[in-house]
Amino acid sequence: EDQVTQSPEALRLQEGESSSLNCSYTVSGLRGLFWYRQDPGKGPEFLFTLYSAGEEKEKERLKATLTKKESFLHITAPKPEDSATYLCAVLGRRGGGNKLTFGTGTQLKVEL
Amino acid sequence: DTGVSQNPRHKITKRGQNVTFRCDPISEHNRLYWYRQTLGQGPEFLTYFQNEAQLEKSRLLSDRFSAERPKGSFSTLEIQRTEQGDSAMYLCASSLNSYEQFFGPGTRLTVL
Repeated sequence: EDQVTQSPEALRLQEGESSSLNCSYTVSGLRGLFWYRQDPGKGPEFLFTLYSAGEEKEKERLKATLTKKESFLHITAPKPEDSATYLCAVLGRRGGGNKLTFGTGTQLKVEL
Repeated sequence: DTGVSQNPRHKITKRGQNVTFRCDPISEHNRLYWYRQTLGQGPEFLTYFQNEAQLEKSRLLSDRFSAERPKGSFSTLEIQRTEQGDSAMYLCASSLNSYEQFFGPGTRLTVL
């Protein structure tokens, strides 16, 4: 069964204080690893897809990287508006290969 | 806005009542997914449609749950004889022959 573990569960940063969120995974045949952002009471917002080890994607202050066992979401010089829960999910080849398996997320709080 | 839409956004019901939720996917997206999310957890897969065919169902989807996607457009998720354990956020997502799933805002169900 595909599994995703995210750490830390919660992270508090000062504005401008860079950090990284971790996503460790086990999957039968990785078809893709996804990062989403979720604000309270809303649905997940798609950020990135990574397909193979060594791949990197960037968007504004966020950069996602992928190895064979884990992914990192690097946040550079965060701002208060980056406060949200960041979810990691994998899509494996098991079964129909259409089911995303999510971690429990990292709740990020960026303070002034 | 051409994103995924869900109705209602909130539903409060009494235990034992039936409820139905609607999801309108992004126009022309042929794949539609239902997930359930409880507080502090990541979304959990419930079921998946390709066009009008329901191709995959989770073990989480008990006999009280039924989903349809007539004509391959909008989808409905019905829960019969609701229980307090059904209280959660029900999320719908859609995709177009790709791995990226785009989520709607969700329907928050509270069972009293």
